[in-house]
Amino acid sequence: DIQMTQSPSSLSASVGDRVTITCRASQSIYIYLNWYQQKPGKAPKLLIYAASSLQSGVPSRFSGSGSGTDFTLTISSLQPEDFATYYCQQSYSTRTFGQGTKVEIK
Amino acid sequence: EVHLVESGGGLVQPGGSLRLSCAASAFTFNTYSMNWVRQAPGKGLEWVSHISSSSSTIYYANSVKGRFTISRDNGKNSLYLQMNNLRAEDTAVYFCARESGGAWNYWYFDLWGRGTLVTVSS
Repeated sequence: DIQMTQSPSSLSASVGDRVTITCRASQSIYIYLNWYQQKPGKAPKLLIYAASSLQSGVPSRFSGSGSGTDFTLTISSLQPEDFATYYCQQSYSTRTFGQGTKVEIK
Repeated sequence: EVHLVESGGGLVQPGGSLRLSCAASAFTFNTYSMNWVRQAPGKGLEWVSHISSSSSTIYYANSVKGRFTISRDNGKNSLYLQMNNLRAEDTAVYFCARESGGAWNYWYFDLWGRGTLVTVSS
């Protein structure tokens, strides 16, 4: 099974900061990598699919990059509504989520 | 409005069974693969199971293989998860999620239900 490892597990940042979250796969998954945002008590929301494609309606401050085993989610200028937990997920072989990265207010 | 609604959660004793349902509305259910994803209290997301649009392809996470069965009824626009021999570690909110692939079949979950809570406890 493919394992997904995110780093960091949590981070503190201020409004306006540039934030980067990393996701590493245990084997190559090409670009079968998605990113989700989840707020407490809510269902996850798709942000990025196929490593770098922005889901419709998602603000352009979110971007994704990478291929193979190493991927990055970047928030260019953190907004108050972006404080949440972010998950990567691979869809190359069955499905697997990373353990999540909680973005907290500094 | 396009949406998914889960039901069937509740309190069950260890070793017991429960059947979850997910009702789909306002989209062509029989053209989409579907998944179950769960989230234990205070924990991260865990993918549970996948079923293709025609039920021809089914996958399970190792943690539920042999105990859970995914199925669907395209005539009723419904997805199901039969959960047997439940354990305390199965306690979680269970979400159903629609899987889309786009033009290039890069699969992703683009529609989620609100979830239903399953509690396994004596």
